[in-house]
Amino acid sequence: AQTVTQSQPEMSVQEAETVTLSCTYDTSESDYYLFWYKQPPSRQMILVIRQEAYKQQNATENRFSVNFQKAAKSFSLKISDSQLGDAAMYFCAYRSANAGGTSYGKLTFGQGTILTVHP
Amino acid sequence: EAGVTQSPTHLIKTRGQQATLRCSPISGHTSVYWYQQALGLGLQFLLWYDEGEERNRGNFPPRFSGRQFPNYSSELNVNALELEDSALYLCASSSLLSGTWANEQFFGPGTRLTVL
Repeated sequence: AQTVTQSQPEMSVQEAETVTLSCTYDTSESDYYLFWYKQPPSRQMILVIRQEAYKQQNATENRFSVNFQKAAKSFSLKISDSQLGDAAMYFCAYRSANAGGTSYGKLTFGQGTILTVHP
Repeated sequence: EAGVTQSPTHLIKTRGQQATLRCSPISGHTSVYWYQQALGLGLQFLLWYDEGEERNRGNFPPRFSGRQFPNYSSELNVNALELEDSALYLCASSSLLSGTWANEQFFGPGTRLTVL
């Protein structure tokens, strides 16, 4: 079974600064997908960024980028030019690409990191 | 385009009762997923339905069950409620239109279940 670990229960950043959220995972699979989801206090989960394991290039979405280290099984999220609206719980998630496997289809989430943005 | 909707927003039950939670996926999405978000336990996968069939199930007892209707909406039923079932239950939907299971799962706002 796969596991996802977020070792930072809480992080804080000043507005306009950069912050990096850490995520490590454990899997024996070679093909999978990794995601960062954001859950603001309103509770609605929103996809921030996605990475395919077979792609070496790190994904980028505007101010959000990842550092994907497949050999180290690390998938960190960098938020540049932080804004007050970035304050939320951030979840790292894993999804198997192995059709028919016991983990197929589901997202396996880390414990989450609460990000506070100070004005 | 309407997002994933869930009802009710809040549900209060007592131990031993049954709870029914409902989810309507985004139009065109055939897959529905259920997750439990309990304090201290994080987000746990419960069930995945696609085209009316159960495709995968998480490590939960049989009293957690569900179904998917022909219009792709879904119900989650929790029988013989226990105090530890108190949690936020999130529903998500996705589509296979692009031919890959990597498709984003779009989440609903959740149903807060409280068991007294």
